[in-house]
Amino acid sequence: QKEVEQNSGPLSVPEGAIASLNCTYSDRGSQSFFWYRQYSGKSPELIMSIYSNGDKEDGRFTAQLNKASQYVSLLIRDSQPSDSATYLCAVNKDQAGTALIFGKGTTLSVSS
Amino acid sequence: ETGVTQSPTHLIKTRGQQVTLRCSSQSGHNTVSWYQQALGQGPQFIFQYYREEENGRGNFPPRFSGLQFPNYSSELNVNALELDDSALYLCASSTSTDTQYFGPGTRLTVL
Repeated sequence: QKEVEQNSGPLSVPEGAIASLNCTYSDRGSQSFFWYRQYSGKSPELIMSIYSNGDKEDGRFTAQLNKASQYVSLLIRDSQPSDSATYLCAVNKDQAGTALIFGKGTTLSVSS
Repeated sequence: ETGVTQSPTHLIKTRGQQVTLRCSSQSGHNTVSWYQQALGQGPQFIFQYYREEENGRGNFPPRFSGLQFPNYSSELNVNALELDDSALYLCASSTSTDTQYFGPGTRLTVL
């Protein structure tokens, strides 16, 4: 069974700062990696997907993947109070399928 | 909005009862996956349907069963409900690639 690990937090940052969220996974065969944001009482919302080593940027968000270290991260620049949520890291269950294995999530709190 | 809908929004059942949850996938998507999310945990994969066939199953007992219809909508059925089945049930739709988009979820409470 693949495992995805995240620091549960809470991670507290001031408004305007960079928030750094980290995730490690155990299965070297994992191919696809995702970050979802989940507000309290709501369903997960896709923020980023990343498939290749390196960085992928989308607005204030940057996902970083290092397959050799089995590590994926999410950076949020210029953090806003509206970014306060739980961030879920997810990894494909296997190469061909689309079942996702999730971490427990990291709770981010951005103070104004 | 992802275009994925789920019904009902909330549901209260008693232990031993049976429940059916429904999901309509986003237009153009042929794959539906179901997840269970307990409070404070990440979603756990229950099973996936691709073109009306089960295409993978997580570590859930057989009393969790599902169905996908020709229009790619799906049902999740849970028999003999237990207290630990209380959770947010999430449906996600996708194409044959692996980006999944979640519906709003159904909150099930078992008393």
